[in-house]
Amino acid sequence: EAGVTQFPSHSVIEKGQTVTLRCDPISGHDNLYWYRRVMGKEIKFLLHFVKESKQDESGMPNNRFLAERTGGTYSTLKVQPAELEDSGVYFCASSPTGQYENIQYFGAGTRLSVL
Amino acid sequence: GDSVTQMEGPVTLSEEAFLTINCTYTATGYPSLFWYVQYPGEGLQLLLKATKADDKGSNKGFEATYRKETTSFHLEKGSVQVSDSAVYFCALSPNLNTGFQKLVFGTGTRLLVSP
Repeated sequence: EAGVTQFPSHSVIEKGQTVTLRCDPISGHDNLYWYRRVMGKEIKFLLHFVKESKQDESGMPNNRFLAERTGGTYSTLKVQPAELEDSGVYFCASSPTGQYENIQYFGAGTRLSVL
Repeated sequence: GDSVTQMEGPVTLSEEAFLTINCTYTATGYPSLFWYVQYPGEGLQLLLKATKADDKGSNKGFEATYRKETTSFHLEKGSVQVSDSAVYFCALSPNLNTGFQKLVFGTGTRLLVSP
């Protein structure tokens, strides 16, 4: 069974440009999460989808970030325009519903470098 | 709000040494607790978990016990190997009765094991 996959693995862009990150969750997982780790600090929650609906987007830093999950399958996270402080590793995770233990399965992450 | 504090690294050990990585948490109610590991070039993998007080999670020779009285979940291994070199993240999931499912992470601790 395929795990959570993320594209690209690394992106280098200039300040002011737009970048779109993609996440393909494990098939059948309704829950999809985005997290970010900046400069070796803690991994912080960005948002949570249940199918195509945003359940919790309290961690989104500002309106330059836009997340979508069309059809409840893959998700994209767009940063427009990118700023220097957006650099970091963006992780995606997924989990099935009805799971008491809340085990989330993570992708390898996308390393974003804004120059 | 909920938070996780773990010891800063890097932790440098020789092969077969004893490992302890400290983790303490602040949370309301009864969270679930996790240790995730990130090997070089890979995504986050669940290492072990505990869902209630006094539970002991274990996997691959690693152990951690959920101590509610000290709000701790320290990771231990009796004899580390070079292949254990990775970044270890302590995390909690708030009580699901609150309806929130995001994970709250610590800053991560890098472990370096030399032959």
